Amino acid sequence: GENVEQHPSTLSVQEGDSAVIKCTYSDSASNYFPWYKQELGKGPQLIIDIRSNVGEKKDQRIAVTLNKTAKHFSLHITETQPEDSAVYFCAASNDNDMRFGAGTRLTVKP
Amino acid sequence: KAGVTQTPRYLIKTRGQQVTLSCSPISGHRSVSWYQQTPGQGLQFLFEYFSETQRNKGNFPGRFSGRQFSNSRSEMNVSTLELGDSALYLCASSWRSGQIYGYTFGSGTRLTVV
Repeated sequence: GENVEQHPSTLSVQEGDSAVIKCTYSDSASNYFPWYKQELGKGPQLIIDIRSNVGEKKDQRIAVTLNKTAKHFSLHITETQPEDSAVYFCAASNDNDMRFGAGTRLTVKP
Repeated sequence: KAGVTQTPRYLIKTRGQQVTLSCSPISGHRSVSWYQQTPGQGLQFLFEYFSETQRNKGNFPGRFSGRQFSNSRSEMNVSTLELGDSALYLCASSWRSGQIYGYTFGSGTRLTVV
């Protein structure tokens, strides 16, 4: 089955710096790669996603890149702000199964 | 469009008791998945229901069970609670767009076993 690995497990950056979280997947049938942000005490919320026919997608300060050949995808957050502090999960799905990475705790220091 | 509704939001139970958690998916979504999240841990898959049938099951003991009703609402039950069952239980309503399969999560039920 699908295996999703996520790195790093914790990440601390200074406000204004960039943050990058990387994930790899094993199932070549995976065709959809969402990223979720989970704030304390809340459920994970979808913040950006990318489909397998696209190499990059950007939404304001957040971008995701996908390398299908290497089976890895990354989340990039620019100009980080304290409110970006949260746990981020990557995921990979095929047409009937969703697998998650272990999560990255991002801390943005003011 | 209403989101995924999980009730209750918080629950405190005593060891040995049982508990039932409820999840109402987004209208039109027929599949519901349940996850357990313990402090500092990732998302541990419990089970998935589609059209009232369990489609997938994670590696949890038989004390964890679930069901889905004809209106797609789902419940999960944990019997003979243990201290280690204290966790955030998340429900995800799944959607499909062509070959794409995605999730929308609820806010979770925080279960504390004392």
